[in-house]
Amino acid sequence: DAKTTQPPSMDCAEGRAANLPCNHSTISGNEYVYWYRQIHSQGPQYIIHGLKNNETNEMASLIITEDRKSSTLILPHATLRDTAVYYCIVRVAQGGADGLTFGKGTHLIIQP
Amino acid sequence: NAGVTQTPKFQVLKTGQSMTLQCAQDMNHNSMYWYRQDPGMGLRLIYYSASEGTTDKGEVPNGYNVSRLNKREFSLRLESAAPSQTSVYFCASIRTGGTQPQHFGDGTRLSIL
Repeated sequence: DAKTTQPPSMDCAEGRAANLPCNHSTISGNEYVYWYRQIHSQGPQYIIHGLKNNETNEMASLIITEDRKSSTLILPHATLRDTAVYYCIVRVAQGGADGLTFGKGTHLIIQP
Repeated sequence: NAGVTQTPKFQVLKTGQSMTLQCAQDMNHNSMYWYRQDPGMGLRLIYYSASEGTTDKGEVPNGYNVSRLNKREFSLRLESAAPSQTSVYFCASIRTGGTQPQHFGDGTRLSIL
């Protein structure tokens, strides 16, 4: 699986868009970008994933650069409940048997 | 719909004691996983089970054993607990194939004194 690089922490004002970057310069053509978050030591929660097209769901948007070497997770209107550690994980479709490789993620703090 | 259920939620053990952590999923998923998370760190894979009747080692298997009891249940056993095994343990499951995400339980917080 490709390695990822994320900033260790970020702040964002409540109500503003939170943009979380992730670098994955060694990504392969068949690897997807997945985002999870972990709120206060709860179990990780899936947010969104994509291959090369931008994706949007009820939680967030995922923007992947054309060369696929980096991506940005966007929380459009951050709330205090979005304070969490966000993990960017790159791997072949998760249907494979082996587990996920978690780095240290980005600790996003939403400021009131 | 419960998803992934882990028991117990908290446990304190003495060094040398044994214990089994339980995990069950009700989503008819093929694969199941056990991770541990130490303070300030990401999750690390201990063992996984690609399907009923199979288990494989992950990144940090030493000191642990697992059993895939049936399709729903995947247990993690500490035969002789050590303080280094103090951690939060997460179970996860996934439907094999496709791009579906892993689903995680809420964790078991284990302290070894």
